[in-house]
Amino acid sequence: AQKITQTQPGMFVQEKEAVTLDCTYDTSDQSYGLFWYKQPSSGEMIFLIYQGSYDEQNATEGRYSLNFQKARKSANLVISASQLGDSAMYFCAISGGYQKVTFGTGTKLQVIP
Amino acid sequence: EAQVTQNPRYLITVTGKKLTVTCSQNMNHEYMSWYRQDPGLGLRQIYYSMNVEVTDKGDVPEGYKVSRKEKRNFPLILESPSPNQTSLYFCASSLPGQGVDEQYFGPGTRLTVT
Repeated sequence: AQKITQTQPGMFVQEKEAVTLDCTYDTSDQSYGLFWYKQPSSGEMIFLIYQGSYDEQNATEGRYSLNFQKARKSANLVISASQLGDSAMYFCAISGGYQKVTFGTGTKLQVIP
Repeated sequence: EAQVTQNPRYLITVTGKKLTVTCSQNMNHEYMSWYRQDPGLGLRQIYYSMNVEVTDKGDVPEGYKVSRKEKRNFPLILESPSPNQTSLYFCASSLPGQGVDEQYFGPGTRLTVT
Protein backbone atom coordinates (compact mmCIF):
# COMPACT_ATOMS: atom_id res chain seq x y z
CA ALA A 1 0.00 0.00 0.00
CA GLN A 2 1.14 3.55 -0.58
CA LYS A 3 0.04 6.81 0.92
CA ILE A 4 0.57 10.54 0.43
CA THR A 5 0.04 13.07 3.21
CA GLN A 6 -0.29 16.79 2.58
CA THR A 7 -0.81 18.46 5.93
CA GLN A 8 -1.34 22.03 4.73
CA PRO A 9 -4.91 22.49 3.46
CA GLY A 10 -4.20 26.13 2.64
CA MET A 11 -1.27 28.51 2.49
CA PHE A 12 -0.62 32.14 1.74
CA VAL A 13 2.55 33.60 0.28
CA GLN A 14 3.55 37.12 -0.64
CA GLU A 15 4.25 37.73 -4.31
CA LYS A 16 7.97 37.27 -5.18
CA GLU A 17 8.60 35.24 -2.04
CA ALA A 18 9.48 31.53 -2.00
CA VAL A 19 7.08 28.96 -0.57
CA THR A 20 7.39 25.30 0.42
CA LEU A 21 4.49 22.90 0.12
CA ASP A 22 4.86 19.81 2.27
CA CYS A 23 4.42 16.23 1.14
CA THR A 24 5.25 13.05 3.00
CA TYR A 25 4.77 9.59 1.61
CA ASP A 26 4.71 5.98 2.62
CA THR A 27 5.37 3.00 0.38
CA SER A 28 6.77 -0.50 0.60
CA ASP A 29 8.18 -0.31 -2.94
CA GLN A 30 11.90 0.16 -3.51
CA SER A 31 11.33 1.88 -6.84
CA TYR A 32 8.78 4.66 -7.05
CA GLY A 33 8.17 8.07 -8.51
CA LEU A 34 6.97 11.25 -6.88
CA PHE A 35 5.06 13.95 -8.75
CA TRP A 36 3.58 17.36 -8.22
CA TYR A 37 0.60 18.68 -10.17
CA LYS A 38 -1.04 22.09 -10.20
CA GLN A 39 -4.77 22.62 -10.57
CA PRO A 40 -5.80 26.24 -11.21
CA SER A 41 -9.36 27.38 -10.60
CA SER A 42 -10.13 26.54 -14.26
CA GLY A 43 -9.83 22.87 -13.29
CA GLU A 44 -7.15 21.39 -15.54
CA MET A 45 -4.36 19.29 -14.09
CA ILE A 46 -0.88 20.51 -14.97
CA PHE A 47 2.25 18.42 -14.42
CA LEU A 48 5.00 20.33 -12.62
CA ILE A 49 7.85 18.06 -11.60
CA TYR A 50 8.94 14.44 -11.15
CA GLN A 51 11.46 12.74 -8.84
CA GLY A 52 12.47 9.10 -9.11
CA SER A 53 13.32 7.22 -5.96
CA TYR A 54 16.82 6.45 -7.22
CA ASP A 55 17.54 9.98 -8.43
CA GLU A 56 20.33 11.39 -6.32
CA GLN A 57 19.82 14.99 -7.36
CA ASN A 58 16.73 16.95 -6.43
CA ALA A 59 14.56 17.63 -9.47
CA THR A 60 14.19 21.19 -10.73
CA GLU A 61 11.97 22.69 -13.41
CA GLY A 62 12.27 26.43 -13.76
CA ARG A 63 10.93 28.01 -10.56
CA TYR A 64 9.91 24.63 -9.17
CA SER A 65 12.20 22.36 -7.23
CA LEU A 66 11.50 19.18 -5.34
CA ASN A 67 13.24 18.82 -1.98
CA PHE A 68 13.55 15.03 -1.82
CA GLN A 69 14.57 13.55 1.53
CA LYS A 70 14.34 9.80 1.16
CA ALA A 71 15.14 8.89 4.74
CA ARG A 72 12.38 11.20 5.97
CA LYS A 73 10.03 10.10 3.17
CA SER A 74 9.35 13.66 2.19
CA ALA A 75 9.05 15.30 -1.22
CA ASN A 76 8.36 18.97 -0.63
CA LEU A 77 7.71 21.34 -3.51
CA VAL A 78 9.53 24.65 -3.43
CA ILE A 79 8.24 27.48 -5.59
CA SER A 80 10.65 30.37 -5.88
CA ALA A 81 9.66 33.96 -6.68
CA SER A 82 5.92 33.36 -6.39
CA GLN A 83 3.64 34.91 -8.98
CA LEU A 84 -0.07 35.65 -8.86
CA GLY A 85 -0.59 32.90 -11.42
CA ASP A 86 0.75 30.38 -8.93
CA SER A 87 -2.49 30.61 -6.95
CA ALA A 88 -3.96 27.13 -7.32
CA MET A 89 -4.39 23.73 -5.72
CA TYR A 90 -1.23 21.66 -5.61
CA PHE A 91 -1.25 17.89 -5.44
CA CYS A 92 1.56 15.53 -4.55
CA ALA A 93 1.37 11.97 -5.93
CA ILE A 94 3.29 8.71 -5.88
CA SER A 95 3.47 5.82 -8.31
CA GLY A 96 4.80 2.49 -7.16
CA GLY A 97 5.90 -0.82 -8.60
CA TYR A 98 2.52 -1.81 -9.97
CA GLN A 99 2.05 1.60 -11.61
CA LYS A 100 -0.79 2.42 -9.27
CA VAL A 101 -0.98 6.14 -8.52
CA THR A 102 -1.99 7.73 -5.21
CA PHE A 103 -2.59 11.45 -4.79
CA GLY A 104 -2.66 13.53 -1.65
CA THR A 105 -5.57 15.72 -0.64
CA GLY A 106 -3.91 18.86 -1.91
CA THR A 107 -2.79 22.29 -0.68
CA LYS A 108 -4.52 25.46 -1.78
CA LEU A 109 -1.93 28.16 -2.34
CA GLN A 110 -2.91 31.80 -2.52
CA VAL A 111 -0.39 34.39 -3.65
CA ILE A 112 -0.95 37.84 -2.18
CA PRO A 113 0.04 40.93 -4.21
CA GLU B 1 -2.14 18.74 -31.14
CA ALA B 2 -1.27 16.19 -28.46
CA GLN B 3 -4.22 15.80 -26.16
CA VAL B 4 -6.52 13.68 -24.04
CA THR B 5 -10.19 14.19 -24.79
CA GLN B 6 -13.16 13.26 -22.65
CA ASN B 7 -16.83 13.22 -23.50
CA PRO B 8 -19.17 14.40 -22.28
CA ARG B 9 -17.75 17.30 -20.28
CA TYR B 10 -20.91 17.63 -18.20
CA LEU B 11 -23.57 15.05 -17.50
CA ILE B 12 -26.63 14.97 -15.28
CA THR B 13 -28.29 11.60 -15.02
CA VAL B 14 -30.60 9.60 -12.78
CA THR B 15 -29.86 6.71 -10.49
CA GLY B 16 -29.56 3.40 -12.30
CA LYS B 17 -29.27 4.67 -15.86
CA LYS B 18 -26.16 3.18 -17.44
CA LEU B 19 -23.66 5.64 -18.83
CA THR B 20 -20.27 5.71 -20.49
CA VAL B 21 -17.66 8.44 -20.34
CA THR B 22 -15.26 8.20 -23.23
CA CYS B 23 -11.54 8.97 -23.09
CA SER B 24 -9.23 9.13 -26.06
CA GLN B 25 -5.58 10.10 -26.47
CA ASN B 26 -3.58 10.75 -29.64
CA MET B 27 -0.08 10.35 -28.21
CA ASN B 28 0.33 6.57 -28.53
CA HIS B 29 0.54 6.31 -24.75
CA GLU B 30 0.48 2.85 -23.23
CA TYR B 31 -0.63 3.85 -19.75
CA MET B 32 -4.11 5.25 -19.20
CA SER B 33 -6.01 5.89 -16.01
CA TRP B 34 -9.27 7.16 -14.56
CA TYR B 35 -9.54 9.31 -11.42
CA ARG B 36 -12.34 10.88 -9.50
CA GLN B 37 -11.90 14.14 -7.61
CA ASP B 38 -14.02 15.00 -4.61
CA PRO B 39 -13.66 18.01 -2.28
CA GLY B 40 -11.23 17.31 0.53
CA LEU B 41 -10.24 13.91 -0.86
CA GLY B 42 -7.96 14.87 -3.72
CA LEU B 43 -7.84 12.57 -6.74
CA ARG B 44 -8.44 8.88 -6.28
CA GLN B 45 -7.56 6.33 -8.91
CA ILE B 46 -10.46 4.20 -10.14
CA TYR B 47 -8.85 1.95 -12.77
CA TYR B 48 -5.72 2.00 -14.82
CA SER B 49 -4.42 0.20 -17.88
CA MET B 50 -0.84 -0.63 -18.73
CA ASN B 51 -1.69 -1.54 -22.33
CA VAL B 52 -4.39 -2.99 -24.58
CA GLU B 53 -6.44 -5.67 -22.79
CA VAL B 54 -4.53 -5.03 -19.53
CA THR B 55 -6.49 -3.25 -16.80
CA ASP B 56 -6.21 -3.14 -13.04
CA LYS B 57 -8.10 -1.73 -10.09
CA GLY B 58 -7.11 1.47 -8.42
CA ASP B 59 -8.19 2.52 -4.95
CA VAL B 60 -11.91 3.06 -5.64
CA PRO B 61 -13.06 0.64 -8.40
CA GLU B 62 -16.46 -0.30 -6.93
CA GLY B 63 -19.33 0.63 -9.22
CA TYR B 64 -17.14 1.20 -12.27
CA LYS B 65 -16.00 -0.82 -15.26
CA VAL B 66 -13.41 -0.11 -17.91
CA SER B 67 -12.18 -1.68 -21.12
CA ARG B 68 -9.08 -1.18 -23.26
CA LYS B 69 -9.72 -2.69 -26.67
CA GLU B 70 -7.63 -0.10 -28.50
CA LYS B 71 -4.56 1.75 -27.35
CA ARG B 72 -6.07 5.19 -27.79
CA ASN B 73 -9.40 4.64 -26.00
CA PHE B 74 -10.21 3.91 -22.37
CA PRO B 75 -13.93 4.31 -21.64
CA LEU B 76 -15.32 4.43 -18.11
CA ILE B 77 -18.63 2.65 -17.63
CA LEU B 78 -21.09 3.16 -14.80
CA GLU B 79 -23.58 0.33 -15.16
CA SER B 80 -25.93 1.53 -12.41
CA PRO B 81 -24.90 5.00 -11.26
CA SER B 82 -25.72 6.10 -7.73
CA PRO B 83 -25.65 9.57 -6.13
CA ASN B 84 -22.34 8.81 -4.39
CA GLN B 85 -20.74 8.66 -7.83
CA THR B 86 -21.44 12.36 -8.34
CA SER B 87 -17.94 13.69 -8.88
CA LEU B 88 -15.42 15.25 -11.24
CA TYR B 89 -13.77 12.56 -13.35
CA PHE B 90 -10.39 12.80 -15.04
CA CYS B 91 -8.82 10.54 -17.61
CA ALA B 92 -5.04 10.60 -17.97
CA SER B 93 -2.35 8.96 -20.07
CA SER B 94 1.41 8.78 -19.89
CA LEU B 95 4.43 8.33 -22.11
CA PRO B 96 4.92 4.97 -23.80
CA GLY B 97 7.19 2.37 -22.30
CA GLN B 98 7.91 4.28 -19.15
CA GLY B 99 5.12 3.24 -16.84
CA VAL B 100 3.75 6.16 -14.94
CA ASP B 101 5.76 9.18 -15.93
CA GLU B 102 4.33 12.63 -16.48
CA GLN B 103 0.62 12.14 -16.95
CA TYR B 104 -1.40 14.13 -19.45
CA PHE B 105 -4.88 14.82 -18.14
CA GLY B 106 -8.11 15.30 -19.99
CA PRO B 107 -10.27 18.35 -19.21
CA GLY B 108 -12.51 16.47 -16.80
CA THR B 109 -16.13 15.30 -16.82
CA ARG B 110 -18.47 16.65 -14.20
CA LEU B 111 -21.06 14.00 -13.41
CA THR B 112 -24.17 14.53 -11.31
CA VAL B 113 -26.34 11.55 -10.39
CA THR B 114 -29.75 12.42 -8.95
